[in-house]
Amino acid sequence: DSGVTQTPKHLITATGQRVTLRCSPRSGDLSVYWYQQSLDQGLQFLIQYYNGEERAKGNILERFSAQQFPDLHSELNLSSLELGDSALYFCASSVAGSYEQYFGPGTRLTVT
Amino acid sequence: GQQLNQSPQSMFIQEGEDVSMNCTSSSIFNTWLWYKQEPGEGPVLLIALYKAGELTSNGRLTAQFGITRKDSFLNISASIPSDVGIYFCAGQLDSNYQLIWGAGTKLIIKP
Repeated sequence: DSGVTQTPKHLITATGQRVTLRCSPRSGDLSVYWYQQSLDQGLQFLIQYYNGEERAKGNILERFSAQQFPDLHSELNLSSLELGDSALYFCASSVAGSYEQYFGPGTRLTVT
Repeated sequence: GQQLNQSPQSMFIQEGEDVSMNCTSSSIFNTWLWYKQEPGEGPVLLIALYKAGELTSNGRLTAQFGITRKDSFLNISASIPSDVGIYFCAGQLDSNYQLIWGAGTKLIIKP
């Protein structure tokens, strides 16, 4: 158990809908990262937050947004969902100044 | 953008065999991390490397930070069935604090 929690574990929704994925980092970690992993693919970095502020952006679509709250939990919002958005979404966290990222168990999103 | 070349893409091995995989790039890295991902789960950090030439072990796993700082290697000795999964390397560029990820090496044990 990495100490990073993600909810929900599974999510099934229809095209055009909007969903919110939630992540709680390890205690004491200030950085949160979001990744997308499509079937049998590698990890695509989406976005990083550090202590509530956006720190870096990867290949994140405009339909996707994220935020980190004062209690350091983070949410990833996915809107106008398309079939191709079906994937595993991972959250990871790290302590300040470290590159070692610890991953949550993921949320499996299925868009039908 | 920056790329890491991870090879091989997949490996079929017999139980008990030693395994080697690597990540290479044309860029210089300050940090190398190796992760293992099992089906449907999040990647788990195996080994972290911080200095050129560093050799670090974690049980049957040994990883090395290449002398040129452009590559890293992971070896697994005497493989067992629970070693199956996808192994990812990730490197932190000298010029950027972000991690760059390899595409993964899928390890499959032959029955």
